[in-house]
Amino acid sequence: QKEVEQDPGPLSVPEGAIVSLNCTYSNSAFQYFMWYRQYSRKGPELLMYTYSSGNKEDGRFTAQVDKSSKYISLFIRDSQPSDSATYLCAMSGGDSSYKLIFGSGTRLLVRP
Amino acid sequence: DAGVTQSPTHLIKTRGQQVTLRCSPKSGHDTVSWYQQALGQGPQFIFQYYEEEERQRGNFPDRFSGHQFPNYSSELNVNALLLGDSALYLCASSLRHSGANVLTFGAGSRLTVL
Repeated sequence: QKEVEQDPGPLSVPEGAIVSLNCTYSNSAFQYFMWYRQYSRKGPELLMYTYSSGNKEDGRFTAQVDKSSKYISLFIRDSQPSDSATYLCAMSGGDSSYKLIFGSGTRLLVRP
Repeated sequence: DAGVTQSPTHLIKTRGQQVTLRCSPKSGHDTVSWYQQALGQGPQFIFQYYEEEERQRGNFPDRFSGHQFPNYSSELNVNALLLGDSALYLCASSLRHSGANVLTFGAGSRLTVL
């Protein structure tokens, strides 16, 4: 079993839709939770960063962490074609304090 | 302000050969991490360098080695290449006190092993 599970998609939505992306994890020592966006032929770019449980909002993006369920989410409101990319969740903490453990990524396509 | 720069961007090698990939960190960053990203997968941690020493290592064989120079730039070396080493190799830089949490990634070096 992988430490971090993420549905690979692809997820196809119309422009303007609300997108929900999710990851589950098994290591209760994880304390830092991140979402990265990766465009084709580019490196990952940090979108959201959350410590412990709770919500964090930044513009059209909202990150949620539920440590009791070992479940994290990223919501994208008013999705745009430019949001089409692969979204990677990542976590660290405990023995993994110096490394990020990534999910396999969800490919998102926003149709005009 | 230049971000993380990696070279080369693409390269093709044959099985058994050796490869060296290079990384210059973002200005002001002192820590470099390397990740391997296979097609359709998330990045996997190879190792992290700080003060020219390997600070932590992932589950990669000794064929993978690295180095950090006094100017914080870094190299990743892979010996005795296998077909399975074909991947995108990502370098990420950060500040020591940020741990693993705030990484800036480069665009990667895409290695194809034939």
